[in-house]
Amino acid sequence: DGGITQSPKYLFRKEGQNVTLSCEQNLNHDAMYWYRQDPGQGLRLIYYSQIVNDFQKGDIAEGYSVSREKKESFPLTVTSAQKNPTAFYLCASSASFSGFLLNTEAFFGQGTRLTVV
Amino acid sequence: GDSVTQMEGPVTLSEEAFLTINCTYTATGYPSLFWYVQYPGEGLQLLLKATKADDKGSNKGFEATYRKETTSFHLEKGSVQVSDSAVYFCALCPTGKLIFGQGTTLQVKP
Repeated sequence: DGGITQSPKYLFRKEGQNVTLSCEQNLNHDAMYWYRQDPGQGLRLIYYSQIVNDFQKGDIAEGYSVSREKKESFPLTVTSAQKNPTAFYLCASSASFSGFLLNTEAFFGQGTRLTVV
Repeated sequence: GDSVTQMEGPVTLSEEAFLTINCTYTATGYPSLFWYVQYPGEGLQLLLKATKADDKGSNKGFEATYRKETTSFHLEKGSVQVSDSAVYFCALCPTGKLIFGQGTTLQVKP
């Protein structure tokens, strides 16, 4: 079945450690996104990528890094520079590309809940 | 810049009540508009969408009409159920970057 998979579902990190969250899609989508969601709050965009080997900072990129070496994969690293990393992280993808046909819906993974211990 | 504004929640209703969740947007051009739903502990699922002015998106009894003149995309349902309890997000995608509203929590009581 086509879809978007995030792993792990739960992740615990010690202070000062870097951790990497996995996001894989088999939908052949060009665009991928990472969002952060805090309790009772909306989604804040961390990074997004429109095409392989290219990505842009979102609204809250500080303390995070990404790579897009393959079309189907968009891992997110939460670095030790991120002062408050405990949150629910959501990855999404959409068949989006430059030009007129931008208006396609996004598909989301089930999320990774990261907790700093 | 482009943005989405949703009514603040939580919204608490009794079963079979009528639901309206307001959504207004600011965007250049004429982007498609979306409503997503998030059940506890899960990712977001697309609920419905509309791709041009006056389009009505519908799914599972929910409806929303793309109103260009009022830049709105309000979500409605005639009779809510307890199983509709979730967080609802309005969204648009004007230039390849998804933009979401803050989300509105709906609680439906039996």
